[in-house]
Amino acid sequence: AQTVTQSQPEMSVQEAETVTLSCTYDTSESDYYLFWYKQPPSRQMILVIRQEAYKQQNATENRFSVNFQKAAKSFSLKISDSQLGDAAMYFCAYRSLSGGGADGLTFGKGTHLIIQP
Amino acid sequence: DGGITQSPKYLFRKEGQNVTLSCEQNLNHDAMYWYRQDPGQGLRLIYYSQIVNDFQKGDIAEGYSVSREKKESFPLTVTSAQKNPTAFYLCASRHHTGNSGNTIYFGEGSWLTVV
Repeated sequence: AQTVTQSQPEMSVQEAETVTLSCTYDTSESDYYLFWYKQPPSRQMILVIRQEAYKQQNATENRFSVNFQKAAKSFSLKISDSQLGDAAMYFCAYRSLSGGGADGLTFGKGTHLIIQP
Repeated sequence: DGGITQSPKYLFRKEGQNVTLSCEQNLNHDAMYWYRQDPGQGLRLIYYSQIVNDFQKGDIAEGYSVSREKKESFPLTVTSAQKNPTAFYLCASRHHTGNSGNTIYFGEGSWLTVV
């Protein structure tokens, strides 16, 4: 079974600064997807960014980018020019494409991101 | 608007009662999922369904039941056998194919509290 670990329960950053959230995962598979979801106080899960494991190029979405290190099984999220609206819980998630086991996402426990004005 | 609609937003259950959480999607998604979230925890998979009239247990299915009679609907019943049902429940869905086929999208969630 796959596991996802987020080692930072909470992070704090000054507005307009850059912050990096860490995520590591454990899998024996070679084909999979990785995601970062944002959960604001409303509790809805919002997709931030996704990465296909077969792609070497790191995904970017505006101020959000990832550092995907497949060999190290690491998938960190960098938020540039942090804004007050970025304050939320951030979850790293893994989805297998191998077809074995349960479908769906495996989540880490989340990182609470605080933005200091 | 297209999306995933969960109802009710807040639900209170007495001990020993069954309750059903509704999840409807108009995105024409093939697969649907139910997740549970407890304070300080990530999401855990309860049940999922790849196609109509078929569903599979996830990691924490005990005390829950589902049905998938229509493509757009995937209701979750929390039975009296679920010992600690107080939690936040999230429904999700995705296409089977296409560029977005591996991305799972979520509804706004339902709070269930046992009183």
